[in-house]
Amino acid sequence: SYVLTQPPSVSVAPGQTARITCGGKNIGSKSVHWYQQKPGQAPVLVVYDDSDRPSGIPERFSGSNSGNTATLTISRVEAGDEADYYCQVWDSSSDHVVFGGGTKLTVL
Amino acid sequence: EVQLVESGGGLVQPGGSLRLFCAASGFTFSSYWMHWVRQAPGKGLVWVSRINSDGSSTNYADSVKGRFTISRDNAKNTLYLQMNSLRAEDTAVYYCARDRTAFQHWGQGTLVTVSS
Repeated sequence: SYVLTQPPSVSVAPGQTARITCGGKNIGSKSVHWYQQKPGQAPVLVVYDDSDRPSGIPERFSGSNSGNTATLTISRVEAGDEADYYCQVWDSSSDHVVFGGGTKLTVL
Repeated sequence: EVQLVESGGGLVQPGGSLRLFCAASGFTFSSYWMHWVRQAPGKGLVWVSRINSDGSSTNYADSVKGRFTISRDNAKNTLYLQMNSLRAEDTAVYYCARDRTAFQHWGQGTLVTVSS
C-alpha cells in the first residue's frame, strides 16, 4: 500500500517560513492535499491539488509537488499557525485515500 | 452553509457493534462522495471508508474490511457506518467528510470507545 512520510515535528520562529515535507514514491504524479488540525478541532483543508487554496485560506499557505516530495510552505508564520499538519493523496492503484502521519508545527 | 453532524458514538465492549450517523445539510447530498476518517487518541488521521454519490460503489481500509459497512440514504441526507466485531484498536473519533478526494468539509466527529 502507498505510504506517505512526514517529519514528526517542525519548529519555526514567528515571521519566518515553515516548510513541511511529505514523501512518497513518485508523489509528483499524484494530487496532494494538506490539512491543518488544531487540538480538539476537525481538520481544515488548507491546500488542495498540490498548490491551490480554498477560499478563506491566507496566501501565506502554499504548496508544491515534484518527484518524491510534496511541500507545504507557510510564510510569515504566526502563533495561530501552530497545529498538526497532514498531507493526503488518493492512491489509484488501491482506490484508497492515504494520509501522512502528521507533522506538529511549533511556533517558537 | 454546509453542515455535517456525526452521532452514534459511545462505549461498546470488544466484539460489539455500533452504527454511526452523519447528517448532512446545506448542500445537495446526493451529488457528493462521502468518507469516514478516524483518529485514535493522540494519533494521526486514518481513512476508513468511502462511498460514491449514489451508493453503488464503496471501498474500505484493510483494517476494517469485512467488519465495517458504509452506506447512505440520499432521501434522508444521511451517511452511515455500521461497525461490527469492534476491537480496542477501533477506539477513535470518527469524522465524516465530503468530496471525492480533497475533503473541504468535515463534521465535528463522534467518539467511539471500545473497552470492557
